[in-house]
Amino acid sequence: KAGVTQTPRYLIKTRGQQVTLSCSPISGHRSVSWYQQTPGQGLQFLFEYFSETQRNKGNFPGRFSGRQFSNSRSEMNVSTLELGDSALYLCASSLSGSNQPQHFGDGTRLSIL
Amino acid sequence: KQEVTQIPAALSVPEGENLVLNCSFTDSAIYNLQWFRQDPGKGLTSLLLIQSSQREQTSGRLNASLDKSSGRSTLYIAASQPGDSATYLCALTDSWGKFQFGAGTQVVVTP
Repeated sequence: KAGVTQTPRYLIKTRGQQVTLSCSPISGHRSVSWYQQTPGQGLQFLFEYFSETQRNKGNFPGRFSGRQFSNSRSEMNVSTLELGDSALYLCASSLSGSNQPQHFGDGTRLSIL
Repeated sequence: KQEVTQIPAALSVPEGENLVLNCSFTDSAIYNLQWFRQDPGKGLTSLLLIQSSQREQTSGRLNASLDKSSGRSTLYIAASQPGDSATYLCALTDSWGKFQFGAGTQVVVTP
């Protein structure tokens, strides 16, 4: 069974640009969550999508947005990039949400110059 | 506001010793607690999930306990091996389904 796939693995952008990250969940999983991991702040929850609807949201500015498609694949978009957005972005999928084990992808390493 | 703390931040043990990793939290109104391991440059691997109504979960050499009244969870790894070297994180889920992670404990098991 294929795991959670995140693309691209690495990305370099400059301040002010925007970026879109992609996450393909495990087949049959309907919940996809996104996280930001930095050395200073650790792992922080961004948002969760279930059946194409945002079900939960963390404390991030509106520059961070996402969506989920009918096949459960999810994308995360960050607009007007700032230096502080440099991080490892992880997505996790589960069958139905937080009451199930979360399966993580290997992440997208985003560097802002 | 929920605070999740993992102490110590780093731990080094010789192979064969038992590992004891701690996770403490300030608000006992949690939905569940999960333990994960993270290898360098990789995502997280779920180890154990304890629902709020449970006291412990076991899988092979791993055992995790949950005491909501004292705000503590402990992950035990028996007979540690070099392959157990990784960062271990605990994560709480609140009743709204939001996750909050601890900062992790970096474990090194020396041969």
